[in-house]
Amino acid sequence: AQSVTQPDIHITVSEGASLELRCNYSYGATPYLFWYVQSPGQGLQLLLKYFSGDTLVQGIKGFEAEFKRSQSSFNLRKPSVHWSDAAEYFCAVGAFSGGYNKLIFGAGTRLAVHP
Amino acid sequence: DAEITQSPRHKITETGRQVTLACHQTWNHNNMFWYRQDLGHGLRLIHYSYGVQDTNKGEVSDGYSVSRSNTEDLPLTLESAASSQTSVYFCASSAGRSGGGYTFGSGTRLTVV
Repeated sequence: AQSVTQPDIHITVSEGASLELRCNYSYGATPYLFWYVQSPGQGLQLLLKYFSGDTLVQGIKGFEAEFKRSQSSFNLRKPSVHWSDAAEYFCAVGAFSGGYNKLIFGAGTRLAVHP
Repeated sequence: DAEITQSPRHKITETGRQVTLACHQTWNHNNMFWYRQDLGHGLRLIHYSYGVQDTNKGEVSDGYSVSRSNTEDLPLTLESAASSQTSVYFCASSAGRSGGGYTFGSGTRLTVV
């Protein structure tokens, strides 16, 4: 069965520091992979997605993610974190069912940013 | 601009009552989804629909039902609300078969007392 694991429930970084959020997936075929961000009291916003091709994907707000098939990982990175990046981040894998796709989400990583 | 709206934003109901949460999208997306979000579980899929008159059960569908009579709406009904259904509910929609990113509503916070 398809699954997504985000090993870190909470992460705290200082403003200006680099960030890496981990995501591991379980999927039999080439996965569709996504990162979403949720600000407090808001819905989820798509940061970036990987379907195929270049394994380093650029997203919005200065985020990037790298697909590593050998490690079944899709880690999210940002070189310099801003206080406004404090939010919850969800990794998701697209799972095919009857020719259609639905998303399976990880449990999320809550990011806190210290000034 | 196209959007996806959920109503109400907040609701308190009593155990045993029937509750319906509304989801309306103007993206003309075929695919619509209901998730619940609980601490430590992330988002779990309740029901989904790939078009009018199509509905499917997700991983946590017990106690919930949906119907899809048009493209725009996918209401979620709790047949007999239970305290375990206290949660934040998100509706999402997407176009096509690639799963190319969902558009999410702002959520409904439901409390069952």
